[in-house]
Amino acid sequence: GENVEQHPSTLSVQEGDSAVIKCTYSDSASNYFPWYKQELGKRPQLIIDIRSNVGEKKDQRIAVTLNKTAKHFSLHITETQPEDSAVYFCAASRAGGFKTIFGAGTRLFVKA
Amino acid sequence: DTEVTQTPKHLVMGMTNKKSLKCEQHMGHRAMYWYKQKAKKPPELMFVYSYEKLSINESVPSRFSPECPNSSLLNLHLHALQPEDSALYLCASSQGISYEQYFGPGTRLTVT
Repeated sequence: GENVEQHPSTLSVQEGDSAVIKCTYSDSASNYFPWYKQELGKRPQLIIDIRSNVGEKKDQRIAVTLNKTAKHFSLHITETQPEDSAVYFCAASRAGGFKTIFGAGTRLFVKA
Repeated sequence: DTEVTQTPKHLVMGMTNKKSLKCEQHMGHRAMYWYKQKAKKPPELMFVYSYEKLSINESVPSRFSPECPNSSLLNLHLHALQPEDSALYLCASSQGISYEQYFGPGTRLTVT
């Protein structure tokens, strides 16, 4: 069945450093790839998304890259801040379908 | 208004009780979702409604019964739950297929 693998499960960085989270999806029909941030005790919130017709998208300190051939996409956070500490989930959904498959999540710690 | 609301915030129920979770959105979204999230795990899709019709049921046990009375409301009726059903239940809505999902704050359910 469809699957999204996410690595690493835990990531600890120093404030100001960059953080990279990587995901691989199995369904080649996937065409929409959102990234959600979930702070402790709060709801998941979209931070950036990318569609399969685009290779890269950037929003201030956050960027996402997509390699359709390798079925691989990544989240890049530059100049990390303590408030970036949270769990980040990558996800994938296929064209014509409502089902979103989530990765297992990455717990990011940013040390001040 | 870009918010999805859920009531109650917390719910404790016995295995013989009947209770309902409620979700509301006023963004004009035509797709609404129920997810179950266990601690340190990603959201797990349960049901999807599209234009008030059940579109996806992820083989959820019949002790969970969804209902979509209108385009703004989504209910989840609970009956004869098991302790392993204790989790955070998240509602979400989206414009449609392959669009950002807006999550509600969730209902933390404990089954005793």
